[in-house]
Amino acid sequence: NAGVTQTPKFQVLKTGQSMTLQCAQDMNHNSMYWYRQDPGMGLRLIYYSASEGTTDKGEVPNGYNVSRLNKREFSLRLESAAPSQTSVYFCASSMVSGANVLTFGAGSRLTVL
Amino acid sequence: EDKVVQSPLSLVVHEGDTVTLNCSYEVTNFRSLLWYKQEKKAPTFLFMLTSSGIEKKSGRLSSILDKKELFSILNITATQTGDSAIYLCAVESGEYGNKLVFGAGTILRVKS
Repeated sequence: NAGVTQTPKFQVLKTGQSMTLQCAQDMNHNSMYWYRQDPGMGLRLIYYSASEGTTDKGEVPNGYNVSRLNKREFSLRLESAAPSQTSVYFCASSMVSGANVLTFGAGSRLTVL
Repeated sequence: EDKVVQSPLSLVVHEGDTVTLNCSYEVTNFRSLLWYKQEKKAPTFLFMLTSSGIEKKSGRLSSILDKKELFSILNITATQTGDSAIYLCAVESGEYGNKLVFGAGTILRVKS
């Protein structure tokens, strides 16, 4: 009963490097989300995908791209990492496009030097 | 711009105490308010509230929503060390369609 699986759990990058965070869910959910969590700022939405084949920007999309590869998988790419992108990233999914009850992955801690 | 504000930002209590966590919001086209508990890793769902004045309860935790005054409270009675966590409030609003706007969270530490 995996739920939402994120990889990698930890990553250290140098400024300017690129990387992709992977997310997969096995609950047959339609909607998927990427959030970042910074101290004192709660969770902020980066991008979301209401259904397979669609993606939309959230509150803080700059510097990121996403791909909804299929119904199960939603990846987040940093093309040229910056220290301001040091954060904990959470992938989440929900059954319907009304967000409501999200199921979160365990998080990916990214440090950009 | 949608806004969710939680207070206090952090709180330290002793086992057995009762705590009240606050969440106020300003959003367009309110749909629901949710509470999550975050321990070491992923946030886990506690409550979803959509109607004013109806208390949701689960064991020692309870929550209520006031849509007129635009706030919610989360009460925890007879606190235990296992209640130590970050408590997140989130509001689903029409402005962003199908997304949640989160508050900064309240860090609760329960001392034995």
